[in-house]
Amino acid sequence: NAGVTQTPKFQVLKTGQSMTLQCAQDMNHNSMYWYRQDPGMGLRLIYYSASEGTTDKGEVPNGYNVSRLNKREFSLRLESAAPSQTSVYFCASRSRQGRDNSPLHFGNGTRLTVT
Amino acid sequence: KNQVEQSPQSLIILEGKNCTLQCNYTVSPFSNLRWYKQDTGRGPVSLTIMTFSENTKSNGRYTATLDADTKQSSLHITASQLSDSASYICVVSAVYSGGGADGLTFGKGTHLIIQP
Repeated sequence: NAGVTQTPKFQVLKTGQSMTLQCAQDMNHNSMYWYRQDPGMGLRLIYYSASEGTTDKGEVPNGYNVSRLNKREFSLRLESAAPSQTSVYFCASRSRQGRDNSPLHFGNGTRLTVT
Repeated sequence: KNQVEQSPQSLIILEGKNCTLQCNYTVSPFSNLRWYKQDTGRGPVSLTIMTFSENTKSNGRYTATLDADTKQSSLHITASQLSDSASYICVVSAVYSGGGADGLTFGKGTHLIIQP
């Protein structure tokens, strides 16, 4: 039982390059999330998917797109990377959005640097 | 606007000492409050959850309190150990209202360093 797996762990991009961050969970959770974490800012929600087939914008969606490929996988795409997107990205999942008491399960993050 | 404020931003204490972290929130309608521990280079992990009816809950050396009237929570760590060095994040959940709302508000965390 791996929980939430993110790939890659580290990535360096040049301004304007594109990339996709991958996330998969093996806990049969309905809801999946992408956050970014910056010093002094805490975790901020980029996009989330309440269930397979649905996605919604969070607090900081500009410059990102997401795909809920199936129940297990939720990817985050940067079409044209900018230095402001240098951050640590965390994927998370939880069992069902309607059950407010369920905890978030996080991956160990992708550390992205855009030069 | 829903907000969660944590204090202090950072804290350094000696191994074996106790400490208390604070979380104040303005989230409505309140559902629950959860404390997460984030070790360096890792994702956050849930420590404990506090619901409206709970005042105190312990998880080993961690004790969380909730005062729903003043909208404050604390996380008390007893007899600190080096492994307690981490960031502690307070997350408050609003009652789910459907319509795709996420309902989670995050604090910015308290960075705790335990020195030998």
